[in-house]
Amino acid sequence: GESVGLHLPTLSVQEGDNSIINCAYSNSASDYFIWYKQESGKGPQFIIDIRSNMDKRQGQRVTVLLNKTVKHLSLQIAATQPGDSAVYFCAETNQGGKLIFGQGTELSVKP
Amino acid sequence: KAGVTQTPRYLIKTRGQQVTLSCSPISGHRSVSWYQQTPGQGLQFLFEYFSETQRNKGNFPGRFSGRQFSNSRSEMNVSTLELGDSALYLCASTKDGATGALHFGNGTRLTVT
Repeated sequence: GESVGLHLPTLSVQEGDNSIINCAYSNSASDYFIWYKQESGKGPQFIIDIRSNMDKRQGQRVTVLLNKTVKHLSLQIAATQPGDSAVYFCAETNQGGKLIFGQGTELSVKP
Repeated sequence: KAGVTQTPRYLIKTRGQQVTLSCSPISGHRSVSWYQQTPGQGLQFLFEYFSETQRNKGNFPGRFSGRQFSNSRSEMNVSTLELGDSALYLCASTKDGATGALHFGNGTRLTVT
């Protein structure tokens, strides 16, 4: 039958505000987690990663938090800019090249 | 350093035909993975190749196949195309597939009519 498009969660923020994007992962055996950003017409672009032996990792303007107890991952973007507008995916794996992706969150930044 | 390159960028095929998509990984990367992205199912893993061997496979029918060459370049083939195969097909590479994030190309947009 005809497939229905995924209704992506949407987050709308004002330029300069902080953004928090959440993700629930599925496999308690996953030991490596990645956040990707996908802009229209492009492939997913690596933002930041974290291994299961850590609970927090910081990059430039981004922070990833991992809560293994509740299988939850979050991405924090500081001072969000219009160029941050995109779809953000979390991904998990314990098998190297085989990633399991979340459904994605669409971030919209209002100038 | 050049990124992951996928060709062609766009393809239009008819039901029943077959198609071959090509991927050149980042230089030095030996693991290549393929993903299908659709609005209905999101991003789904197809298969992974390392040193010319398929190391992992997703839950797709046998009509989907792939291979990897000695220079790490990879191709995927879809036979007997169905309307539901319309999707963005993404290729990603890593050095060894065991560590580090996958680096994605911009995909091949396949439309089946």
